[in-house]
Amino acid sequence: GESVGLHLPTLSVQEGDNSIINCAYSNSASDYFIWYKQESGKGPQFIIDIRSNMDKRQGQRVTVLLNKTVKHLSLQIAATQPGDSAVYFCAEKGAGGTSYGKLTFGQGTILTVHP
Amino acid sequence: SQTIHQWPATLVQPVGSPLSLECTVEGTSNPNLYWYRQAAGRGLQLLFYSVGIGQISSEVPQNLSASRPQDRQFILSSKKLLLSDSGFYLCAWTNYYNEQFFGPGTRLTVL
Repeated sequence: GESVGLHLPTLSVQEGDNSIINCAYSNSASDYFIWYKQESGKGPQFIIDIRSNMDKRQGQRVTVLLNKTVKHLSLQIAATQPGDSAVYFCAEKGAGGTSYGKLTFGQGTILTVHP
Repeated sequence: SQTIHQWPATLVQPVGSPLSLECTVEGTSNPNLYWYRQAAGRGLQLLFYSVGIGQISSEVPQNLSASRPQDRQFILSSKKLLLSDSGFYLCAWTNYYNEQFFGPGTRLTVL
């Protein structure tokens, strides 16, 4: 079946640096993508999403980029803070009404921010 | 605002015992509901989803079952737990825009 995977399982950065977390997806028909942050022992927290008719979307300190040509998704975190340390997951949703909102998740990237 | 609850937060059960995990959503009506399992250090695996009361779809064959007795209640069950059922169980709901939000999770340990 379709899969979503991450290039880098771990990422260590210094506080204040910018972080980039990457994700590759295989289902070219996916029309919606989400980034989640998961802290230890907690449920995933919605960060930002992007639909397939967009290339870029910005939030507070975060930017998601979508390159449909190479089926690549990235999450950029500006001025990374220790509180950003967590596991980050990308997820994709197939197009069409029969998808019922089901998401396929990547493996996750562990982001560690050093003070 | 909408909130999602799961209980219990943690559970330790012996092999062969039954299981019942509950998820409830507040502040919305007729949400799509989902059960996921997350093994330690891994991603999320979709187990079940429901688009309405009494409507359950299973994504993977397994030892678990799900039920939706009320619009905003989703229950994950098992008659006899296996060691491999250990994990972090997450309930989620989806809004009109397909944004999916997760509950706090239940940590299940089967001994």
